[in-house]
Amino acid sequence: GAVVSQHPSWVICKSGTSVKIECRSLDFQATTMFWYRQFPKQSLMLMATSNEGSKATYEQGVEKDKFLINHASLTLSTLTVTSAHPEDSSFYICSARGPGPSSGNTIYFGEGSWLTVV
Amino acid sequence: SQQGEEDPQALSIQEGENATMNCSYKTSINNLQWYRQNSGRGLVHLILIRSNEREKHSGRLRVTLDTSKKSSSLLITASRAADTASYFCAPMYNQGGKLIFGQGTELSVKP
Repeated sequence: GAVVSQHPSWVICKSGTSVKIECRSLDFQATTMFWYRQFPKQSLMLMATSNEGSKATYEQGVEKDKFLINHASLTLSTLTVTSAHPEDSSFYICSARGPGPSSGNTIYFGEGSWLTVV
Repeated sequence: SQQGEEDPQALSIQEGENATMNCSYKTSINNLQWYRQNSGRGLVHLILIRSNEREKHSGRLRVTLDTSKKSSSLLITASRAADTASYFCAPMYNQGGKLIFGQGTELSVKP
């Protein structure tokens, strides 16, 4: 199946700094990627839909200026958590829509990135 | 709401037994996808079933879809301790749409 890679797997940053998480589709081109966050023992919360070459579409309640999403190429989307605070500590997971047409609706997920803000 | 609702929330069985998880959704779908998540890891795609399909198999997994009842089920046969994970269903309402997740079913398979 299609492979989605995230980097870094875990990161610790100081409060007030920014941190970038990368999401790559390794063996296919992904025009659409999605970013989720997940708190322990909870479900995944969709943050935004990232489309290559255009602005991301954010879900209600997600701060656009705090969670910057860039999808500059067909294989890379980045999530930057700006001015991070301890409450931003979470597990962030990206996913990508698989190559079409037969698997165009299948969404493949990365391994996730643990962010700890101290 | 758009997410699928899994039932039960938690399931504990012995190795070798079958595990059945159910999913309900609200409106017509294009497809429904099942995922597994091991603790602290990403999601692994298990099966996609389209709205015009009623049953799909993949190894020890069997997924059924009943669009009249707006429900789906995931059956894991001859379960193994390695099947211990959270399982999520995610309905996709439009082709090319997004996935919204419910709380999932936490499966524990005891050796």
